[in-house]
Amino acid sequence: DADVTQTPRNRITKTGKRIMLECSQTKGHDRMYWYRQDPGLGLRLIYYSFDVKDINKGEISDGYSVSRQAQAKFSLSLESAIPNQTALYFCATGENQPQHFGDGTRLSIL
Amino acid sequence: GENVEQHPSTLSVQEGDSAVIKCTYSDSASNYFPWYKQELGKRPQLIIDIRSNVGEKKDQRIAVTLNKTAKHFSLHITETQPEDSAVYFCAASYNAGNMLTFGGGTRLMVKP
Repeated sequence: DADVTQTPRNRITKTGKRIMLECSQTKGHDRMYWYRQDPGLGLRLIYYSFDVKDINKGEISDGYSVSRQAQAKFSLSLESAIPNQTALYFCATGENQPQHFGDGTRLSIL
Repeated sequence: GENVEQHPSTLSVQEGDSAVIKCTYSDSASNYFPWYKQELGKRPQLIIDIRSNVGEKKDQRIAVTLNKTAKHFSLHITETQPEDSAVYFCAASYNAGNMLTFGGGTRLMVKP
């Protein structure tokens, strides 16, 4: 199902570049989340938003920023990418029900 | 904040055997505990969840138990099949839909 869509699915970039990962959802949820997944560390929360005017830092927000352009759109930016930000990034939505994840963006920073 | 620990990190079983994965959490305010299955290269998908007003929940071959006093919960898979091979994550939050704190994951391998 494509109700949480992440773009791009894969991205390779160089150290120091700015990159934006995008997430859109058709579930009508106010709450959206960005997680990072590293091997052996599970998923860790980067940022979350409970509505368009509400943005909150998660466990590992340093080096990242977000923008909630609309209820359906929540973007994650790396202003100056560094190699240890190489990871799998997931967007999720949830509204009084279990969180539903997008397919992820695999990001490699050289 | 919440801290969730998950054990074991890897688990290998023979097809048909049972598998048990255990998690502990630290925040007594947490009241929602989902389990996600992640196949290689795919998104985590919810397989079962439990709320703190329930001690056990079952769905076919999968069951979850919760001990609020001890702050631990477990996933039980019976009659394992090769397609059960995946990484399983436990998580905890205050109410469904809120931010989740995940365990480190368990790689389950079911040998035919």
